Amino acid sequence: LAKTTQPISMDSYEGQEVNITCSHNNIATNDYITWYQQFPSQGPRFIIQGYKTKVTNEVASLFIPADRKSSTLSLPRVSLSDTAVYYCLVGDLFYNQGGKLIFGQGTELSVKP
Amino acid sequence: SAVISQKPSRDICQRGTSLTIQCQVDSQVTMMFWYRQQPGQSLTLIATANQGSEATYESGFVIDKFPISRPNLTFSTLTVSNLSPEDSSIYLCSVKQETQYFGPGTRLLVL
Repeated sequence: LAKTTQPISMDSYEGQEVNITCSHNNIATNDYITWYQQFPSQGPRFIIQGYKTKVTNEVASLFIPADRKSSTLSLPRVSLSDTAVYYCLVGDLFYNQGGKLIFGQGTELSVKP
Repeated sequence: SAVISQKPSRDICQRGTSLTIQCQVDSQVTMMFWYRQQPGQSLTLIATANQGSEATYESGFVIDKFPISRPNLTFSTLTVSNLSPEDSSIYLCSVKQETQYFGPGTRLLVL
């Protein structure tokens, strides 16, 4: 399973755009890139998932370069409620590796007023 | 999306006892997973529990310590046996559909 590397922590201010980059140099052909958000005392919550290029939903955008060895989660205009831990995961969408996701250390984002 | 509930939400247990955690899903799912999250740490996969087969444990986790049941496609239990303070963690149930969903977790404190 591909290992991921992300910054341990990031600070931002309300209204700013936040970009969190994740490295996954050993990503396999069948692997998708998925980002989760976790608030204290809650289970992780799915944010966005992609395979290549750019994916956008109502919460975030995910940018994946052509070599897929990294990805960037972009959170537009963050608010205090976006303070959480963000996990980048790489896994096989098609169950070839049992479908399990392996969590890295995550990035603790702190949004200040 | 799947809605997952866990019982209990939290518990305090004495060392040497056991705690069984229940995970209920609002739809039928083949693949279920149990994770552990120690204080201030990331999630660690304990085992994969597919209905109709024995659970598959990750390195460092054994069936005697973490027995799992998966009687049907909407329910699973994880038992943490012979508790010690090192077992104090959050235990999370997860299921896979179009993506992977997580339950709210069970916070365990062992005294």
